Amino acid sequence: EPEVTQTPSHQVTQMGQEVILRCVPISNHLYFYWYRQILGQKVEFLVSFYNNEISEKSEIFDDQFSVERPDGSNFTLKIRSTKLEDSAMYFCASGTRLADEQYFGPGTRLTVT
Amino acid sequence: AQTVTQSQPEMSVQEAETVTLSCTYDTSESDYYLFWYKQPPSRQMILVIRQEAYKQQNATENRFSVNFQKAAKSFSLKISDSQLGDAAMYFCAFTDSNYQLIWGAGTKLIIKP
Repeated sequence: EPEVTQTPSHQVTQMGQEVILRCVPISNHLYFYWYRQILGQKVEFLVSFYNNEISEKSEIFDDQFSVERPDGSNFTLKIRSTKLEDSAMYFCASGTRLADEQYFGPGTRLTVT
Repeated sequence: AQTVTQSQPEMSVQEAETVTLSCTYDTSESDYYLFWYKQPPSRQMILVIRQEAYKQQNATENRFSVNFQKAAKSFSLKISDSQLGDAAMYFCAFTDSNYQLIWGAGTKLIIKP
């Protein structure tokens, strides 16, 4: 069964460094999402992406964040200058239709020291 | 504001028994999708069951079923014949008008052998 994959599973970085989190969505999916979950807290929406552009973004998704689909298969989340409070689990998801089921990847645990 | 409330931070159930996890939500939309996701210790987000708001019939998936009360904005999850592998965090979520998933805080389900 096709699944969403994410790399790396765990990323440790120093404050101020740039990180790129990678995701490979399910191949026939058209809608892509990033969510984050700070330990012990709710899952929060970051951004949705469709037709090579951002559809929606939350207040969390400020100028430090960007997303790209560089080659038609990968979907990346870049954080330009990480802060301690960016430490969280980051989930990528993809789906075939708006408002319908989103399939999640296993997540990338980002630790900012 | 669109919100999801899971009033039970933790629930426990004896193996093979039945447990119900509660969820209420608030939205002004008339058409939306509701979901229950399971997050085991591995922290992967796994879809348990989905419900389309325009459908009156409650969704079922094997041992998992929902009690969807649209007027009351209630969407509870019933797990029958609980198994040790059901132990996880369970999140209730729905898609808002921007097709983002809005999440509850989660209920930790403990299965007693």
